[in-house]
Amino acid sequence: DTGVSQDPRHKITKRGQNVTFRCDPISEHNRLYWYRQTLGQGPEFLTYFQNEAQLEKSRLLSDRFSAERPKGSFSTLEIQRTEQGDSAMYLCASSPGLVAFFGQGTRLTVV
Amino acid sequence: SQQGEEDPQALSIQEGENATMNCSYKTSINNLQWYRQNSGRGLVHLILIRSNEREKHSGRLRVTLDTSKKSSSLLITASRAADTASYFCATMNYGGSQGNLIFGKGTKLSVKP
Repeated sequence: DTGVSQDPRHKITKRGQNVTFRCDPISEHNRLYWYRQTLGQGPEFLTYFQNEAQLEKSRLLSDRFSAERPKGSFSTLEIQRTEQGDSAMYLCASSPGLVAFFGQGTRLTVV
Repeated sequence: SQQGEEDPQALSIQEGENATMNCSYKTSINNLQWYRQNSGRGLVHLILIRSNEREKHSGRLRVTLDTSKKSSSLLITASRAADTASYFCATMNYGGSQGNLIFGKGTKLSVKP
């Protein structure tokens, strides 16, 4: 087991483009979280899955953001019509119950 | 959204000294956790304390929880340069969002050799 894997590690995109990030959780972890983190701040909660069900979405997750977790395995986070304010580190974590295990994150830069 | 508020925002100490950081939160919780984030690395879980516990130890770490004051503290004893990192508290709530894990803004700890 290699831990939580995120792809890509870095993404540079032009404003207005769509981007999609992938997260592969630790196998058999039923919970999966997405967070966004900017420099000097803590991780801001975006959304949370229990198996394939998306149980909660932050108000930060505008209609430009969507997340899926088909079949309760890997998850994708898509940002449509990116804006410069979307530049951040996007973190994925998985959990078998209480403790979260984080990936290395995807750093998004919108130019 | 962020629930926890860590205090202080930044802390600088000498190697061998103890470091204490505090976390306050707003709503009823199931448990409270502390995580560490080194520069350039991911978040790593350190310790979890449940709402019915008052104190917990793990190696050089000691965590306390006061649910009446909605606050927690993390004590790192005999600090080392390798403890230099940002430390975040995270709360897991009861109720409709059970299982959701909300982080604070963190304390940046610098341990000087």
